[in-house]
Amino acid sequence: DQQVKQNSPSLSVQEGRISILNCDYTNSMFDYFLWYKKYPAEGPTFLISISSIKDKNEDGRFTVFLNKSAKHLSLHIVPSQPGDSAVYFCAASAVGQNFVFGPGTRLSVLP
Amino acid sequence: EAGVTQSPTHLIKTRGQQATLRCSPISGHTSVYWYQQALGLGLQFLLWYDEGEERNRGNFPPRFSGRQFPNYSSELNVNALELEDSALYLCASSLAQGAGETQYFGPGTRLLVL
Repeated sequence: DQQVKQNSPSLSVQEGRISILNCDYTNSMFDYFLWYKKYPAEGPTFLISISSIKDKNEDGRFTVFLNKSAKHLSLHIVPSQPGDSAVYFCAASAVGQNFVFGPGTRLSVLP
Repeated sequence: EAGVTQSPTHLIKTRGQQATLRCSPISGHTSVYWYQQALGLGLQFLLWYDEGEERNRGNFPPRFSGRQFPNYSSELNVNALELEDSALYLCASSLAQGAGETQYFGPGTRLLVL
């Protein structure tokens, strides 16, 4: 049973446009969420986090939105750049529990 | 500041052998995590060590084991290797005990079991 789902295995976006990556979770106890980016042959790189007391967190071109009632979070990248092409993982944890990762979404930003 | 380091970068073994993977956390981090990423799959949690003790383990058989040393570095041991153990093994570290703390990942060890 997948507790963290990323239903889009891949996404293609034109350079300069907005990329929206989605993540859904089933465990209502999750209260802390992370997004990671992973390039081939490298380990994941932390991007941005959000706790359940907030519904939005912004860091430069990256914004994460959390909708607790829908158990849904999304990562917005504006504007998208070719260097953003990577696999993006969302991860969630509950107090005292380890992070659970989604399967990832492969983002391709086309020049 | 040095990030999380892992060795070796690549490892080739045959079925039934044992593999040992190593991880050095970021200086000051006490928690170390191990993940497996099999081809086409997401990150699967393996093990969590903090202050030298195993705090939690994922849904993996006992032949996956490890330890954390007094300097907070860690080893992952996989015994009786099977073909499906071929994967990228990622180590991550964080400042404090697990949940809610950002984990920083190493580059991974690519294990190939023939």
